Amino acid sequence: AQSVTQPDIHITVSEGASLELRCNYSYGATPYLFWYVQSPGQGLQLLLKYFSGDTLVQGIKGFEAEFKRSQSSFNLRKPSVHWSDAAEYFCAVVLNSGYSTLTFGKGTMLLVSP
Amino acid sequence: NAGVTQTPKFRVLKTGQSMTLLCAQDMNHEYMYWYRQDPGMGLRLIHYSVGEGTTAKGEVPDGYNVSRLKKQNFLLGLESAAPSQTSVYFCASKTSGDYNEQFFGPGTRLTVL
Repeated sequence: AQSVTQPDIHITVSEGASLELRCNYSYGATPYLFWYVQSPGQGLQLLLKYFSGDTLVQGIKGFEAEFKRSQSSFNLRKPSVHWSDAAEYFCAVVLNSGYSTLTFGKGTMLLVSP
Repeated sequence: NAGVTQTPKFRVLKTGQSMTLLCAQDMNHEYMYWYRQDPGMGLRLIHYSVGEGTTAKGEVPDGYNVSRLKKQNFLLGLESAAPSQTSVYFCASKTSGDYNEQFFGPGTRLTVL
């Protein structure tokens, strides 16, 4: 069965520092991968996605992610974190191709310190 | 475009009561989904629909029923609420194609006492 692992429950980063959030997946074929962000009390917003082609994908708000097949990873990065980036981040993979159901990781809460 | 809307935003139920959560989308999407979000668990799929009149079970369907009588609406029902159903419920919709993103509503916070 497909699964998504986000090893870090919480991460604290100083404002202006770089960020990397980890995501590992288990899936036989090339997966469709997504990163979503959830601000407090809000729904989820798509940051970026990968399904083929260039393994480095750019998203909104200055985020990027790199797909590494050899490591079964799709880590999210940002070179300089802003206080407004404090939120919960979810990695997800398409579970059921054709119906496009998603399996989500358990999320990583990002805290930004001054 | 309102996108995906959910009604109500908050609700408190007593054990054994019933209720229906409404999800509406104005993007003409074929696919719609209901998730629940619990602390430390991420989002888990309850039921989904790939078209008007069709529904299917997700990962955690027990205790819930759904209906999709109109393309734009997806209803989630709790026939006899239990405290274990205290959660935040999210609806999402998308067009067909695995590479297309799901658009999420703002959520409904449900407490069952």
